[in-house]
Amino acid sequence: AQSVTQLDSHVSVSEGTPVLLRCNYSSSYSPSLFWYVQHPNKGLQLLLKYTSAATLVKGINGFEAEFKKSETSFHLTKPSAHMSDAAEYFCVVTLTNDYKLSFGAGTTVTVRA
Amino acid sequence: DTGVSQNPRHKITKRGQNVTFRCDPISEHNRLYWYRQTLGQGPEFLTYFQNEAQLEKSRLLSDRFSAERPKGSFSTLEIQRTEQGDSAMYLCASSYLERFTDTQYFGPGTRLTVL
Repeated sequence: AQSVTQLDSHVSVSEGTPVLLRCNYSSSYSPSLFWYVQHPNKGLQLLLKYTSAATLVKGINGFEAEFKKSETSFHLTKPSAHMSDAAEYFCVVTLTNDYKLSFGAGTTVTVRA
Repeated sequence: DTGVSQNPRHKITKRGQNVTFRCDPISEHNRLYWYRQTLGQGPEFLTYFQNEAQLEKSRLLSDRFSAERPKGSFSTLEIQRTEQGDSAMYLCASSYLERFTDTQYFGPGTRLTVL
């Protein structure tokens, strides 16, 4: 079975400063990993995905994540936070060739002006 | 590509009533999924269709829940004899089978409140 742990339930940053959202995964086999964002009253939007190609994955809106097998981590970063980044972020794991997504509990990001 | 749509967006019902939600996936997508999200948690997998065939149901899906996808297009999720514990956001996602991992695109969800 696979699972993810999001290490921070809430992250608060100032506009223009870096954002780091931490995610550790557990998987018996080669995982596929995703980050999704959920804005209030909107659907989940895919930010980026890792599927065993390059370990540094670039996504939309300036986000990127690095897959580190030795640390079983898939942390999400952005160099400079914008007010529009305030949302709920989910780290997600699935097995390659599987379809069931296993979501973390989420990290709420607030951005201070 | 108009995205995944779900109706209604909100549903308030009394305990014991039946409710039905609809999901319209992205048109060329052959896979469709239902998830449930409770407050403060990430979504949990409920069930999955490939074309019109329902291939897996989670243990979370009690016998009061039924899902269909006639003709492999839209899907409906029905909850019979609703209970207060059914209050949640019900999310639908769709994808197109790729070689290794498909990407699921989510709709805005239907928020169910059972009084």
